[in-house]
Amino acid sequence: DAGVIQSPRHEVTEMGQEVTLRCKPISGHDYLFWYRQTMMRGLELLIYFNNNVPIDDSGMPEDRFSAKMPNASFSTLKIQPSEPRDSAVYFCASKRLGARTEAFFGQGTRLTVV
Amino acid sequence: AQSVSQHNHHVILSEAASLELGCNYSYGGTVNLFWYVQYPGQHLQLLLKYFSGDPLVKGIKGFEAEFIKSKFSFNLRKPSVQWSDTAEYFCAGPPPEGNAGNMLTFGGGTRLMVKP
Repeated sequence: DAGVIQSPRHEVTEMGQEVTLRCKPISGHDYLFWYRQTMMRGLELLIYFNNNVPIDDSGMPEDRFSAKMPNASFSTLKIQPSEPRDSAVYFCASKRLGARTEAFFGQGTRLTVV
Repeated sequence: AQSVSQHNHHVILSEAASLELGCNYSYGGTVNLFWYVQYPGQHLQLLLKYFSGDPLVKGIKGFEAEFIKSKFSFNLRKPSVQWSDTAEYFCAGPPPEGNAGNMLTFGGGTRLMVKP
C-alpha cells in the first residue's frame, strides 16, 4: 500500500478563496482523521470519521471549515472562505479499528493564505 | 483536560549524549500509549507503542520507552543520540473522556536538536 496520500502538498491561496484538501486513506482502514499543525497550537484534531461517518467534529474551528468522506477511499477538508490564520500544515491520518492500532499519517498539505 | 502532556518543549543535545523525553498521561483504565517522531518537513511516523506486558518497550532506531504506572509516565529514551535524531517527538494516547481508544490525542511535542 502506498500509505495515506494527500494532495496537494503545498497550496498558496488568497484570502477569501475556497480551499479543498484531499486525502486517500490506507485501504481497509476504518478511521480517518484530519489534524492541523501550527507552531502556536501544535497538533490539533479537527474531525474524524468511522466508516465514512463523521463522529466528532468538535475540533473544527469555525463554520468555514467542512469535511466530507463520500466513500471509504476519499475525504476532503474544505475551507470557505479562507483566512490568513488558517495557514498551517494539515495532516490526514487513518487507522484500523481497535485501541491498539496506530494511526498512519499522510505527508501533509502546507497551506498558506495570503 | 489533556490526556497526555509533554513538559519539555525544546531539548538541545550534543551527539552521543543520552536522551530522555518526558510524557505523562492523566487517565485511568486501559492504557494505550504511543510515541511518534516528525523529522523536519515530514509527516509523523510511529516510533513505538505500549499496551500491556513488559513496561520497557523497544522501538525503531534505537529508541525505547518505559511505562511507569505509579508515575503515570511513559518517557522516551535513547542511550546515544545522533544528528539525524533531530526532530519533533510526540507522545499520544486516547482522550480523557475515552472513546474505545480509536481516537488519538497528542501531547504538545518536544523539539530535539542534536548538535554535531
